[in-house]
Amino acid sequence: EIVMTQSPASLSVSPGERATLSCRASQSVSSNLVWYQQKPGQAPRLLIYGASTTGRFSGSGSGTEFTLTISSLQSEDFAVYYCQQYNTWPPTFGQGTKVEIK
Amino acid sequence: EVHLVDSGGGLVQPGGSLRLSCSGSGFTFSDYAMHWVRQAPGKGLEYVSSISSIGGSTYYADSVKGRFTISRDNSKNTLYLQMSSLRVEDTAVYYCVKDSSDYIRFLSDYWGQGTLVTVSS
Repeated sequence: EIVMTQSPASLSVSPGERATLSCRASQSVSSNLVWYQQKPGQAPRLLIYGASTTGRFSGSGSGTEFTLTISSLQSEDFAVYYCQQYNTWPPTFGQGTKVEIK
Repeated sequence: EVHLVDSGGGLVQPGGSLRLSCSGSGFTFSDYAMHWVRQAPGKGLEYVSSISSIGGSTYYADSVKGRFTISRDNSKNTLYLQMSSLRVEDTAVYYCVKDSSDYIRFLSDYWGQGTLVTVSS
């Protein structure tokens, strides 16, 4: 099974600042990686997959190293972010990075 | 708008059974693979079981193989998860999740609100 490791486990950021979240795979997953956002008491929400950009969220990387960048944090962005590989069965998630208000 | 409504969770004793249901709307249900993903309290996410669009292919995590059965009724736009021989470690919120493809791709684009299953004596 591919192990997904996210870092840091938590991140304190001021509104308006940039945040960079990392996800590392124990073996190559090509570009088959997706990021989800989960707010307290809510279901996860698909944020971005592959190397793409949606608004202020930007994903990059391939192989074993991936990055999610939030260009200018807004209040609604404080949440837990999970990466997940879908290249190889079984699909596996990272343990999550919690982005908190500084 | 895609809508997934999970139901059927509750409190059950170890060794007991429970059936979860998920009703889908706002998309052509029979065109997409579907999944159940669970999240134990305060923990991360785990794909539990998956089924292709017409039910020809299924997937089970090792942790539930032989105890859980996934099925779907495309005429009713409904996904099911029959859970038996439940263990304390099965306690979690169970989410119904839609895949982005007709085959089991594990790239999930919509999630239900979740239903809590608690296994306890």
